[in-house]
Amino acid sequence: DIQMTQSPSSLSASVGDRVTITCRASQGISNYLAWFQQKPGKAPKSLIYAASSLQSGVPSKFSGSGSGTDFTLTISSLQPEDFATYYCQQYNSYPPTFGGGTKVEIK
Amino acid sequence: EVQLVESGGGLVKPGGSLRLSCAASGFTFSSYSMNWVRQAPGKGLEWVSSISSSSSYIYYADSVKGRFTISRDNAKNSLYLQMNSLRAEDTAVYYCARESHLDCSSTSCYSDYWGQGTLVTVSS
Repeated sequence: DIQMTQSPSSLSASVGDRVTITCRASQGISNYLAWFQQKPGKAPKSLIYAASSLQSGVPSKFSGSGSGTDFTLTISSLQPEDFATYYCQQYNSYPPTFGGGTKVEIK
Repeated sequence: EVQLVESGGGLVKPGGSLRLSCAASGFTFSSYSMNWVRQAPGKGLEWVSSISSSSSYIYYADSVKGRFTISRDNAKNSLYLQMNSLRAEDTAVYYCARESHLDCSSTSCYSDYWGQGTLVTVSS
């Protein structure tokens, strides 16, 4: 199975900060990488697919990059509604696997 | 509007069975592959099972293989997960999720819409 490692596991940031989360795959996954946002008690919400494509309706402050094994999710200017847990997921091969999550908290 | 509504969760004893359902609306259900993904309390996301649009292709996580069965009824716009021989470690919120057509590898696609989840608790 492909292991997905996210870092950091948590971070504290202020409103207006630029935040970057990284995700590393244990083997190459081309660009078959998605990012999800999850708020407490809610379902995950799709943000990014194909490593850098924005899901319809998702604000442009979210961006993704990377290919192969190393990927990043960037939030350009953190807003109160962005405090949540973020997960990456590879869908290059079965089983689809998720990173352990990055919890973004208010500083 | 795409909607996925899970039901069927609850409290069950170890070794027991439960059948989850996911009612889909707002899209042509029969054209999409579907997934079940679970999340244990306070933990991350774990893919459980996938089924193709016509049920031709079915996949399971090793942790549930032989105990869980995924199925669908395209006439009823419904997805199911039959869970047998349940264990404490199966305790989780179970989400159904639609596989997008926007981007797929040779084996799977990412999930673009998710239901709100249904909680399964396995405890004596």
